[in-house]
Amino acid sequence: EAGVTQFPSHSVIEKGQTVTLRCDPISGHDNLYWYRRVMGKEIKFLLHFVKESKQDESGMPNNRFLAERTGGTYSTLKVQPAELEDSGVYFCASSSTGGGYTFGSGTRLTVV
Amino acid sequence: QQPVQSPQAVILREGEDAVINCSSSKALYSVHWYRQKHGEAPVFLMILLKGGEQKGHDKISASFNEKKQQSSLYLTASQLSYSGTYFCGTRRSGGGADGLTFGKGTHLIIQP
Repeated sequence: EAGVTQFPSHSVIEKGQTVTLRCDPISGHDNLYWYRRVMGKEIKFLLHFVKESKQDESGMPNNRFLAERTGGTYSTLKVQPAELEDSGVYFCASSSTGGGYTFGSGTRLTVV
Repeated sequence: QQPVQSPQAVILREGEDAVINCSSSKALYSVHWYRQKHGEAPVFLMILLKGGEQKGHDKISASFNEKKQQSSLYLTASQLSYSGTYFCGTRRSGGGADGLTFGKGTHLIIQP
């Protein structure tokens, strides 16, 4: 089966610009998660979708971050306006209920 | 609450054994283990769902002590391919309602 796909794989933007990250989960996985890893530190939770609904968005840093999941399929994470501290690797993962996560390869975001 | 992993890093010779621990101050429903190689996505290793449960895959196994709220990952006769960063992820409730909270990771280097 196809894995979790994320794009772009890399993005370099200037402070103040907008960036949209996309994640295509494994077909049939109701759960979709966004995580971020900054500077080789721990993988931090951002939010969790169950189908098209936000189950938990307690990890979203602030209102500059907006996530959507259209029709319970792919998801987008928009950062607007981007700040320097938003740099990091953004991972998307999907799972069936109670199952292990399958992670995408991540989007490396660099804000300059 | 972020689980605490130990050790932070370990260097082994090929063929040696390693143990990585993951502890939580809160009651846990499940523990996940993942391995991430540099520049790649974290890869799911296993889930432990019940207190005292042990699972194994090839020469990698894990235990989950529910009373101690601790899980340990055992790597036996380590191979060069085992190098990477190991993360435990914990969940405090079932049903997939909450996303995993990851530890800071344990860097494992296997030398020939």
